[in-house]
Amino acid sequence: GAVVSQHPSRVICKSGTSVKIECRSLDFQATTMFWYRQFPKQSLMLMATSNEGSKATYEQGVEKDKFLINHASLTLSTLTVTSAHPEDSSFYICSARVAYSSYEQYFGPGTRLTVT
Amino acid sequence: DAKTTQPNSMESNEEEPVHLPCNHSTISGTDYIHWYRQLPSQGPEYVIHGLTSNVNNRMASLAIAEDRKSSTLILHRATLRDAAVYYCILKVNRDDKIIFGKGTRLHILP
Repeated sequence: GAVVSQHPSRVICKSGTSVKIECRSLDFQATTMFWYRQFPKQSLMLMATSNEGSKATYEQGVEKDKFLINHASLTLSTLTVTSAHPEDSSFYICSARVAYSSYEQYFGPGTRLTVT
Repeated sequence: DAKTTQPNSMESNEEEPVHLPCNHSTISGTDYIHWYRQLPSQGPEYVIHGLTSNVNNRMASLAIAEDRKSSTLILHRATLRDAAVYYCILKVNRDDKIIFGKGTRLHILP
């Protein structure tokens, strides 16, 4: 089956620093990737949609200058949390939609970010 | 996105069938009904989807009401590994985004 990986699986960083999370589709091409954030005991919240080679589309209330998304290839998207603060601590999950498919979308295992 | 309503939590005994309900009274004719589940500390995984007819796969069955205003995910024989949050989601075929509601937290009792 289709596999999406994320790296790192967990990261601890100091307040004020930036951290980059990678999302890769391992055995398929993904024209569209999505980034979600999930706080403890809550549901996933869609942050942004990124299409390969173009700028990401952010959901309302998500700061695009704080959460930088790059989707430079059909198998890789990155999320950079800039100037991280403790309130950015969360579980970040990406998903990738199979190119030219209308519904096949696969999720990564998530990245646990802790900002101290 | 059309809204879905699910119970917050459910319990079931191991090795018994589980019926997880979902109400979607405002569903439109082009909305597909998708189910995903999220095991603890993992990303969501696809379970099943359907449009009008009941669907079966190796993981579960999806029973869709005739008026499409509700559906039921059926796990035929629950195991402890099925303990997860189950999300019922409506998704237009050409729409890219999956928007998650609160889902149903399923507890399996040994």
